[in-house]
Amino acid sequence: AQKITQTQPGMFVQEKEAVTLDCTYDTSDPSYGLFWYKQPSSGEMIFLIYQGSYDQQNATEGRYSLNFQKARKSANLVISASQLGDSAMYFCAMSYNQGGKLIFGQGTELSVKP
Amino acid sequence: EAQVTQNPRYLITVTGKKLTVTCSQNMNHEYMSWYRQDPGLGLRQIYYSMNVEVTDKGDVPEGYKVSRKEKRNFPLILESPSPNQTSLYFCASSFLAGGPAPDTQYFGPGTRLTVL
Repeated sequence: AQKITQTQPGMFVQEKEAVTLDCTYDTSDPSYGLFWYKQPSSGEMIFLIYQGSYDQQNATEGRYSLNFQKARKSANLVISASQLGDSAMYFCAMSYNQGGKLIFGQGTELSVKP
Repeated sequence: EAQVTQNPRYLITVTGKKLTVTCSQNMNHEYMSWYRQDPGLGLRQIYYSMNVEVTDKGDVPEGYKVSRKEKRNFPLILESPSPNQTSLYFCASSFLAGGPAPDTQYFGPGTRLTVL
């Protein structure tokens, strides 16, 4: 069965430092997508970054990068130069079944300290 | 502006009183989906639709109905709401293929439902 696991319920990082949020997944589907979403305290879900299972290179979007290790089934999010506005809940998600299904991890709450 | 809209944003109702939460997208997406978010459980998929008149159950469909008569709209119907359906609900939509990040789902602002 497909599963997404985020083992860090909460994390702290100092402003301007880099932080890695962990995500591992399990699926038997050879074609899948991996996503990270940010949910600030206001509640909306903001798409950050995407990695396809056949992509050879790790995805990057500005200060966000996805460390994709297919053999280990991990898709960690790296945020460089943390900002106070990065304080939020972060969800890792995986799509499968040709995009028809999307499952989420339980989330990691990131707090950025000034 | 490309967006997913949901209405209402907040709703307090009583057990058994039928309600509908509307969802609309203006991006011509084939795929639409409903999720509920509960503390400690993350987001769980309720129903999804791959195209007009095509719907399928997600992981927690009990107590919910959906319809997809038009491509842009995907309402969520609670025929007889119960207190355990108190939750934060999100609608999302996406293309199914193509582009740099295929099947990336874009979310509406959420509907906070309380059933007394």
